[in-house]
Amino acid sequence: AQSVTQLGSHVSVSEGALVLLRCNYSSSVPPYLFWYVQYPNQGLQLLLKYTTGATLVKGINGFEAEFKKSETSFHLTKPSAHMSDAAEYFCAVSRGLMDSSYKLIFGSGTRLLVRP
Amino acid sequence: DTGVSQNPRHKITKRGQNVTFRCDPISEHNRLYWYRQTLGQGPEFLTYFQNEAQLEKSRLLSDRFSAERPKGSFSTLEIQRTEQGDSAMYLCASSLMGQGADEAFFGQGTRLTVV
Repeated sequence: AQSVTQLGSHVSVSEGALVLLRCNYSSSVPPYLFWYVQYPNQGLQLLLKYTTGATLVKGINGFEAEFKKSETSFHLTKPSAHMSDAAEYFCAVSRGLMDSSYKLIFGSGTRLLVRP
Repeated sequence: DTGVSQNPRHKITKRGQNVTFRCDPISEHNRLYWYRQTLGQGPEFLTYFQNEAQLEKSRLLSDRFSAERPKGSFSTLEIQRTEQGDSAMYLCASSLMGQGADEAFFGQGTRLTVV
């Protein structure tokens, strides 16, 4: 079975500071990994994804994440936080080609607060 | 293309009533998913369709829940005899079969409150 653990339900950073949101996964097959962002009362927007190939993936709004198989991690980073980054962030995993549904298993989310 | 559309955005219902939600996917997308998100949690998979065929249902989808996608376009999710535990955000997502199947686009959700 697959699962996702997001360490820290809340992360607070100052504007301009480094953003680091942690995600660890469990998967019996090579995973596809995703980060989504959710603003209040909105749906989820895909930030970035890892399927195969280069382990460092770049996404929208300056975010990037690195797939580390040995650590079963897919942490999300951004060099400099902006006030508009304040939102809920979800890490998700799927079984990729091993599951034709491509359904997503989500973590419980991390709320990012950005202080002025 | 206006993205995935869900209606209504909010629904308040009394316990025991039936409710129905609608999802209109991105027009060329043939896969459609329903997820449920409770407060403080990530979304949980409920079911998915490929065209009009419902190919997988989660055990979270009790007998009171039914989903349809009659013509392979829009989908409906009906909850019969609602319970307070059904209060949640119901999210719809769609994707393309084939290349891009791994990338799901989500709607804004329908927030259900059962009183």
